[in-house]
Amino acid sequence: GAVVSQHPSRVICKSGTSVKIECRSLDFQATTMFWYRQFPKQSLMLMATSNEGSKATYEQGVEKDKFLINHASLTLSTLTVTSAHPEDSSFYICSARARRMNTEAFFGQGTRLTVV
Amino acid sequence: AQSVTQLGSHVSVSEGALVLLRCNYSSSVPPYLFWYVQYPNQGLQLLLKYTSAATLVKGINGFEAEFKKSETSFHLTKPSAHMSDAAEYFCAVARDKLIFGTGTRLQVFP
Repeated sequence: GAVVSQHPSRVICKSGTSVKIECRSLDFQATTMFWYRQFPKQSLMLMATSNEGSKATYEQGVEKDKFLINHASLTLSTLTVTSAHPEDSSFYICSARARRMNTEAFFGQGTRLTVV
Repeated sequence: AQSVTQLGSHVSVSEGALVLLRCNYSSSVPPYLFWYVQYPNQGLQLLLKYTSAATLVKGINGFEAEFKKSETSFHLTKPSAHMSDAAEYFCAVARDKLIFGTGTRLQVFP
């Protein structure tokens, strides 16, 4: 099966610093990657969609200058939370989709970000 | 626009009982529909998917779902609950992007 690896699984950072989260498709080429944010006991909220080599498309209400998404290759996308604040603490999940897989997306293990 | 609605944020069943998790969708075009399961502090695992083939879809761990266009529903069922089924379940609809429902927490009591 298709495997998506997300790293790190947990990160604690100080307020005002930036944090980078990586999402890799290990055995397929991910033409599209999605980044979600999940608050405790809530659903996944789509933050942005990125296609390889293109700028990410952000959902309404998501600050693109705060959540920088890069999808420079077919196997790697990164989410950088810039100048993090405690309210950015959340569970972030990436998912990846390949063109040949129709619309099915595979998910990373998630990253628990805590900003102190 | 596409969306999904999951009725019931919490469902509790006894071990061995029928599991029924409800999902209704809204889509202007024929949808692709998915059910995912999430265990605490983990990512999502695909249970099953509907992509306009058979309306009754069988998934992993004994789960299945039936696509009913007339009812715009895609409810998830399992004949006999197991303690290990306790988790959060998400219904999702997809075309160009994957949109999730609000989730249903399944509790299984011995």
